Amino acid sequence: LAKTTQPISMDSYEGQEVNITCSHNNIATNDYITWYQQFPSQGPRFIIQGYKTKVTNEVASLFIPADRKSSTLSLPRVSLSDTAVYYCLVGDTGNYKLSFGAGTTVTVRA
Amino acid sequence: DTAVSQTPKYLVTQMGNDKSIKCEQNLGHDTMYWYKQDSKKFLKIMFSYNNKELIINETVPNRFSPKSPDKAHLNLHINSLELGDSAVYFCASSQDPAGRSSYNSPLHFGNGTRLTVT
Repeated sequence: LAKTTQPISMDSYEGQEVNITCSHNNIATNDYITWYQQFPSQGPRFIIQGYKTKVTNEVASLFIPADRKSSTLSLPRVSLSDTAVYYCLVGDTGNYKLSFGAGTTVTVRA
Repeated sequence: DTAVSQTPKYLVTQMGNDKSIKCEQNLGHDTMYWYKQDSKKFLKIMFSYNNKELIINETVPNRFSPKSPDKAHLNLHINSLELGDSAVYFCASSQDPAGRSSYNSPLHFGNGTRLTVT
């Protein structure tokens, strides 16, 4: 079961880039890395998913080094509405179970 | 709207009572889940059903019993509620069982049911 580790919290200001790194040393060959965003009183929402190198969509970018033992979620030019908890998730193909990290609380200030 | 919806949003009850939380998804997904989120924000999977068949049953007390009448519904029944059951319970769905090899189908979550046991 791939375990993930990410910072507990990060502070930023509007307009800055926020990078959150997740460690997953035991990632399996077939595992994908997925990030979710959770606002208060809501369920987590899918942001981005990747297997290796770099993935970019309209919300974020995901950087994955060749050894895949970590990944970095990059949020460009954050706004106040990006204040949320961000979860790093690594798929477990053996047991159909998903391990959520503890989540990183990102606080964006004006 | 296409979504995962769960009811009720809030549930306050006393110890020893039996309660149910309902979940429905109209996304056409094959797999549904129940997660528990504690006060420290940890999200732990409890159960998963694929086409009405139980495929994940984590170590939870047998007071918790999921029921899936069809693949669009997964309800959670809890007997003899205890103080420690207080948490937010999230229902989720995905097209394929999460973790299937080659591609992880993203999870779609409901907005949660905040259960408070007094």
